Amino acid sequence: DTAVSQTPKYLVTQMGNDKSIKCEQNLGHDTMYWYKQDSKKFLKIMFSYNNKELIINETVPNRFSPKSPDKAHLNLHINSLELGDSAVYFCASSQDIQGLGYGYTFGSGTRLTVV
Amino acid sequence: AQSVTQLDSQVPVFEEAPVELRCNYSSSVSVYLFWYVQYPNQGLQLLLKYLSGSTLVESINGFEAEFNKSQTSFHLRKPSVHISDTAEYFCAVRQPSGGSNYKLTFGKGTLLTVNP
Repeated sequence: DTAVSQTPKYLVTQMGNDKSIKCEQNLGHDTMYWYKQDSKKFLKIMFSYNNKELIINETVPNRFSPKSPDKAHLNLHINSLELGDSAVYFCASSQDIQGLGYGYTFGSGTRLTVV
Repeated sequence: AQSVTQLDSQVPVFEEAPVELRCNYSSSVSVYLFWYVQYPNQGLQLLLKYLSGSTLVESINGFEAEFNKSQTSFHLRKPSVHISDTAEYFCAVRQPSGGSNYKLTFGKGTLLTVNP
């Protein structure tokens, strides 16, 4: 069973469109994250949720709106997509906000290409 | 603010050679350090971590890292690499993020390429 699963794996869309990426974890973790990895492999945190509550919002444009319907799911909706949004988006989870224990468990990523 | 610096963006080595991937951190408080590995087209996997206790930590696949407080380093080493170790390696530090919240902040990564 996949611990942190993201869908879709690949997403190609035109500028101006709205798209969503879904993430689910079956580890029973309390905390979930979205990271963005750019073309130079640099990883930057975007959001973090703990038990469905937003706890970290890292200066991300408000075109990005995360939603956590329950603590096992964290979805990312992006409005009015721009070329610069092209990247690989990773979902991750950790046992709690301390993030120590077993560290973060990452999904396999969603490669978003905006054309 | 805490951060990590990975000094080498690429490290090419031959199979069975030893390798060291360098990571330095900056921190004024207790530090928790991690190494993650990313194989091509995959997510990141935890390789090893330093939280406290022994300064030498090991992974199950032969990698080790040593926490050196005086040199503010957490270099990753392996005495003999395999072709299958070819991947991107990320050093990370747990960083406060307001209130009682934390986040992992990653270095820019080191691409290890093992050649036959």
